[in-house]
Amino acid sequence: QQQVKQSPQSLIVQKGGISIINCAYENTAFDYFPWYQQFPGKGPALLIAIRPDVSEKKEGRFTISFNKSAKQFSLHIMDSQPGDSATYFCAASKGGSQGNLIFGKGTKLSVKP
Amino acid sequence: DVKVTQSSRYLVKRTGEKVFLECVQDMDHENMFWYRQDPGLGLRLIYFSYDVKMKEKGDIPEGYSVSREKKERFSLILESASTNQTSMYLCASDSMNTEAFFGQGTRLTVV
Repeated sequence: QQQVKQSPQSLIVQKGGISIINCAYENTAFDYFPWYQQFPGKGPALLIAIRPDVSEKKEGRFTISFNKSAKQFSLHIMDSQPGDSATYFCAASKGGSQGNLIFGKGTKLSVKP
Repeated sequence: DVKVTQSSRYLVKRTGEKVFLECVQDMDHENMFWYRQDPGLGLRLIYFSYDVKMKEKGDIPEGYSVSREKKERFSLILESASTNQTSMYLCASDSMNTEAFFGQGTRLTVV
């Protein structure tokens, strides 16, 4: 049973465009929703995270939109740059540790110059 | 600069061997985790530990065990390696209300 569903699997965006990655979850007990960015040969690194008491969180060019009633959240990357080319994972956890995570399957983003 | 260090970047082992993957963190974190990452499957939690000598099963513990004798060190053990355990293994650590930090990963190939 896949508790966090992520789409699309891959995404190609032109430089300066908006990249959008979507995730849906099933367990209403989840209370922490991070997005991780992973470059080839590196471990995942936290990009931005949100808790369900807010509907949106913005950090620079990266925004999480959260829809609690629909059990969906998404990552928007504004003004996408070639340096943003990486694999992005959404995740969710419930209570306590932020490292005990259920991950989506990942989205490989390529930003073309 | 915070660090989670995995002792090997690449390992090649034979079927049936006992394999140890080591992870050390320097952030005094209470919690440590082992994940495996496979293409198209994302990251899946194998085992985790919230304290020294404590361990909890994650989503895919079969074929694995762990050891945590010191707070900073968390070892993943493959008792008898099999080819379906060929994967990227990622260690992570965190503390209450801190983000989780990941190591660079160990790419294990079982032949």
